[in-house]
Amino acid sequence: KAGVTQTPRYLIKTRGQQVTLSCSPISGHRSVSWYQQTPGQGLQFLFEYFSETQRNKGNFPGRFSGRQFSNSRSEMNVSTLELGDSALYLCASSFYSNEQFFGPGTRLTVL
Amino acid sequence: GESVGLHLPTLSVQEGDNSIINCAYSNSASDYFIWYKQESGKGPQFIIDIRSNMDKRQGQRVTVLLNKTVKHLSLQIAATQPGDSAVYFCAENWYNQGGKLIFGQGTELSVKP
Repeated sequence: KAGVTQTPRYLIKTRGQQVTLSCSPISGHRSVSWYQQTPGQGLQFLFEYFSETQRNKGNFPGRFSGRQFSNSRSEMNVSTLELGDSALYLCASSFYSNEQFFGPGTRLTVL
Repeated sequence: GESVGLHLPTLSVQEGDNSIINCAYSNSASDYFIWYKQESGKGPQFIIDIRSNMDKRQGQRVTVLLNKTVKHLSLQIAATQPGDSAVYFCAENWYNQGGKLIFGQGTELSVKP
Protein backbone atom coordinates (compact mmCIF):
# COMPACT_ATOMS: atom_id res chain seq x y z
CA LYS A 1 0.00 0.00 0.00
CA ALA A 2 1.44 3.38 -0.99
CA GLY A 3 2.09 5.83 1.84
CA VAL A 4 1.01 9.42 2.25
CA THR A 5 2.41 11.63 -0.48
CA GLN A 6 2.90 15.37 -0.36
CA THR A 7 3.71 17.78 -3.14
CA PRO A 8 5.77 19.74 -3.66
CA ARG A 9 8.57 18.64 -1.33
CA TYR A 10 10.25 22.03 -1.31
CA LEU A 11 8.97 25.53 -1.92
CA ILE A 12 10.51 28.98 -1.78
CA LYS A 13 8.19 31.97 -1.68
CA THR A 14 8.45 35.63 -0.79
CA ARG A 15 6.50 37.55 1.81
CA GLY A 16 3.00 38.46 0.76
CA GLN A 17 2.62 35.60 -1.69
CA GLN A 18 0.28 32.68 -1.23
CA VAL A 19 1.00 28.98 -1.43
CA THR A 20 -0.99 25.77 -1.90
CA LEU A 21 0.27 22.43 -0.64
CA SER A 22 -1.17 19.07 -1.61
CA CYS A 23 -1.58 15.80 0.25
CA SER A 24 -2.70 12.41 -1.04
CA PRO A 25 -3.67 10.07 1.82
CA ILE A 26 -3.23 6.33 2.03
CA SER A 27 -5.87 4.59 -0.07
CA GLY A 28 -9.02 4.07 1.98
CA HIS A 29 -8.16 6.68 4.59
CA ARG A 30 -10.80 9.33 5.03
CA SER A 31 -9.19 11.60 7.62
CA VAL A 32 -6.43 14.03 6.70
CA SER A 33 -4.74 16.22 9.29
CA TRP A 34 -2.20 18.97 8.74
CA TYR A 35 0.61 20.01 11.08
CA GLN A 36 3.23 22.71 11.11
CA GLN A 37 6.68 21.83 12.42
CA THR A 38 9.23 24.48 13.41
CA PRO A 39 12.32 24.28 15.62
CA GLY A 40 10.86 26.79 18.04
CA GLN A 41 7.29 25.55 18.38
CA GLY A 42 7.61 21.87 17.52
CA LEU A 43 4.69 20.08 15.90
CA GLN A 44 1.44 22.00 15.96
CA PHE A 45 -1.95 20.91 14.72
CA LEU A 46 -3.45 23.05 11.96
CA PHE A 47 -6.71 21.31 11.01
CA GLU A 48 -8.34 18.01 10.18
CA TYR A 49 -10.65 17.07 7.34
CA PHE A 50 -12.92 14.07 7.29
CA SER A 51 -15.25 13.27 4.40
CA GLU A 52 -14.70 16.74 2.91
CA THR A 53 -15.63 18.53 6.14
CA GLN A 54 -13.31 20.34 8.51
CA ARG A 55 -13.72 18.45 11.74
CA ASN A 56 -11.19 20.21 13.91
CA LYS A 57 -9.06 23.32 13.83
CA GLY A 58 -5.96 24.45 15.67
CA ASN A 59 -5.00 27.92 16.83
CA PHE A 60 -3.74 29.41 13.61
CA PRO A 61 -4.82 32.63 11.90
CA GLY A 62 -7.37 32.64 9.11
CA ARG A 63 -4.57 32.93 6.54
CA PHE A 64 -4.26 29.17 6.92
CA SER A 65 -7.05 27.27 5.24
CA GLY A 66 -7.65 23.89 3.74
CA ARG A 67 -10.06 21.67 1.94
CA GLN A 68 -10.63 18.03 1.12
CA PHE A 69 -11.90 16.56 -2.09
CA SER A 70 -14.24 13.63 -2.65
CA ASN A 71 -11.27 11.31 -3.24
CA SER A 72 -9.91 12.32 0.21
CA ARG A 73 -7.00 14.27 -1.25
CA SER A 74 -6.45 17.48 0.66
CA GLU A 75 -4.91 20.85 0.04
CA MET A 76 -3.88 23.56 2.43
CA ASN A 77 -3.42 27.18 1.49
CA VAL A 78 -1.52 29.94 3.20
CA SER A 79 -2.20 33.46 2.04
CA THR A 80 -0.16 36.61 2.60
CA LEU A 81 2.92 34.68 3.63
CA GLU A 82 5.04 35.89 6.53
CA LEU A 83 8.63 35.03 7.39
CA GLY A 84 7.37 33.07 10.38
CA ASP A 85 5.44 30.72 8.12
CA SER A 86 8.70 29.07 7.12
CA ALA A 87 8.31 25.52 8.35
CA LEU A 88 7.89 21.89 7.48
CA TYR A 89 4.22 21.24 6.74
CA LEU A 90 3.18 17.68 7.42
CA CYS A 91 0.09 15.85 6.38
CA ALA A 92 -1.16 12.72 8.13
CA SER A 93 -3.91 10.34 7.14
CA SER A 94 -5.92 7.80 9.07
CA PHE A 95 -8.90 5.57 8.46
CA TYR A 96 -10.94 7.31 11.12
CA SER A 97 -8.85 9.59 13.34
CA ASN A 98 -6.41 7.61 15.44
CA GLU A 99 -3.22 5.91 14.23
CA GLN A 100 -2.18 8.67 11.90
CA PHE A 101 0.44 8.06 9.24
CA PHE A 102 2.54 10.97 8.11
CA GLY A 103 3.88 11.99 4.74
CA PRO A 104 7.41 13.31 4.17
CA GLY A 105 6.31 16.94 4.44
CA THR A 106 6.67 20.06 2.36
CA ARG A 107 9.53 22.35 3.35
CA LEU A 108 8.34 25.95 2.88
CA THR A 109 10.84 28.78 2.99
CA VAL A 110 9.56 32.34 3.00
CA LEU A 111 12.07 35.02 2.03
CA GLY B 1 -0.66 27.07 18.66
CA GLU B 2 -0.85 24.24 21.16
CA SER B 3 2.50 22.60 21.58
CA VAL B 4 5.51 22.54 23.78
CA GLY B 5 8.39 22.98 21.39
CA LEU B 6 11.50 24.27 23.10
CA HIS B 7 15.03 22.99 23.51
CA LEU B 8 15.20 19.33 22.58
CA PRO B 9 16.45 16.99 25.33
CA THR B 10 19.02 14.45 24.20
CA LEU B 11 19.57 10.86 25.23
CA SER B 12 22.84 9.22 24.32
CA VAL B 13 23.20 5.43 24.61
CA GLN B 14 25.63 2.73 23.60
CA GLU B 15 24.64 0.29 20.87
CA GLY B 16 23.06 -2.78 22.43
CA ASP B 17 21.86 -0.98 25.55
CA ASN B 18 18.20 -0.42 26.35
CA SER B 19 16.81 3.10 25.93
CA ILE B 20 14.02 4.74 27.88
CA ILE B 21 12.43 7.90 26.56
CA ASN B 22 9.98 9.74 28.79
CA CYS B 23 7.09 12.03 28.10
CA ALA B 24 4.75 14.00 30.32
CA TYR B 25 1.40 14.58 28.67
CA SER B 26 -0.83 17.53 29.29
CA ASN B 27 -4.47 16.49 29.40
CA SER B 28 -5.89 14.09 31.97
CA ALA B 29 -8.78 13.47 29.57
CA SER B 30 -6.44 12.07 26.93
CA ASP B 31 -7.33 8.50 26.08
CA TYR B 32 -5.03 7.64 23.22
CA PHE B 33 -1.27 8.00 22.94
CA ILE B 34 1.20 7.44 20.13
CA TRP B 35 4.95 7.36 19.85
CA TYR B 36 6.55 8.58 16.64
CA LYS B 37 10.11 8.42 15.36
CA GLN B 38 11.35 11.17 13.08
CA GLU B 39 14.59 10.88 11.15
CA SER B 40 16.26 13.87 9.60
CA GLY B 41 14.44 15.05 6.47
CA LYS B 42 11.51 12.70 6.94
CA GLY B 43 8.03 12.80 8.37
CA PRO B 44 7.21 11.18 11.72
CA GLN B 45 6.96 7.41 11.55
CA PHE B 46 4.40 5.55 13.67
CA ILE B 47 6.05 3.26 16.25
CA ILE B 48 3.43 2.13 18.74
CA ASP B 49 0.23 3.32 20.34
CA ILE B 50 -1.65 2.68 23.56
CA ARG B 51 -5.13 3.43 24.83
CA SER B 52 -5.88 4.69 28.30
CA ASN B 53 -7.47 1.42 29.39
CA MET B 54 -4.02 -0.22 29.20
CA ASP B 55 -0.86 0.27 31.23
CA LYS B 56 1.57 -1.45 28.93
CA ARG B 57 1.84 -2.50 25.32
CA GLN B 58 4.64 -4.29 23.57
CA GLY B 59 5.79 -4.27 19.99
CA GLN B 60 8.87 -5.48 18.25
CA ARG B 61 11.78 -4.31 20.46
CA VAL B 62 9.60 -1.50 21.86
CA THR B 63 7.38 -1.22 24.92
CA VAL B 64 5.17 1.68 25.88
CA LEU B 65 4.20 2.25 29.51
CA LEU B 66 1.39 4.52 30.57
CA ASN B 67 0.97 5.94 34.07
CA LYS B 68 -2.27 7.90 34.14
CA THR B 69 -1.89 8.87 37.79
CA VAL B 70 1.07 11.11 37.02
CA LYS B 71 0.28 11.64 33.31
CA HIS B 72 3.47 9.99 32.20
CA LEU B 73 4.32 7.95 29.16
CA SER B 74 7.54 6.12 28.39
CA LEU B 75 8.99 4.32 25.41
CA GLN B 76 11.47 1.54 25.99
CA ILE B 77 13.65 0.36 23.13
CA ALA B 78 15.45 -2.92 23.67
CA ALA B 79 18.94 -3.55 22.26
CA THR B 80 19.20 -0.09 20.74
CA GLN B 81 20.77 0.04 17.30
CA PRO B 82 22.41 2.89 15.35
CA GLY B 83 19.34 2.93 13.09
CA ASP B 84 17.26 3.94 16.11
CA SER B 85 19.00 7.34 16.20
CA ALA B 86 16.26 9.90 15.60
CA VAL B 87 13.94 12.31 17.38
CA TYR B 88 11.11 10.60 19.26
CA PHE B 89 7.79 12.31 19.91
CA CYS B 90 4.89 11.31 22.07
CA ALA B 91 1.45 12.53 21.04
CA GLU B 92 -1.91 12.51 22.81
CA ASN B 93 -5.48 12.57 21.65
CA TRP B 94 -8.79 12.49 23.44
CA TYR B 95 -12.38 11.60 22.72
CA ASN B 96 -14.23 14.08 20.56
CA GLN B 97 -11.03 15.66 19.25
CA GLY B 98 -11.02 13.68 16.04
CA GLY B 99 -7.58 13.64 14.49
CA LYS B 100 -6.12 16.41 16.60
CA LEU B 101 -2.86 15.16 18.07
CA ILE B 102 -1.00 17.23 20.65
CA PHE B 103 2.71 16.54 20.43
CA GLY B 104 5.37 16.67 23.09
CA GLN B 105 8.64 18.50 22.49
CA GLY B 106 10.52 15.42 21.39
CA THR B 107 13.69 13.69 22.57
CA GLU B 108 16.73 13.21 20.39
CA LEU B 109 18.16 9.70 20.72
CA SER B 110 21.80 9.26 19.75
CA VAL B 111 23.19 5.72 19.55
CA LYS B 112 26.94 5.28 19.71
CA PRO B 113 28.34 2.25 17.86
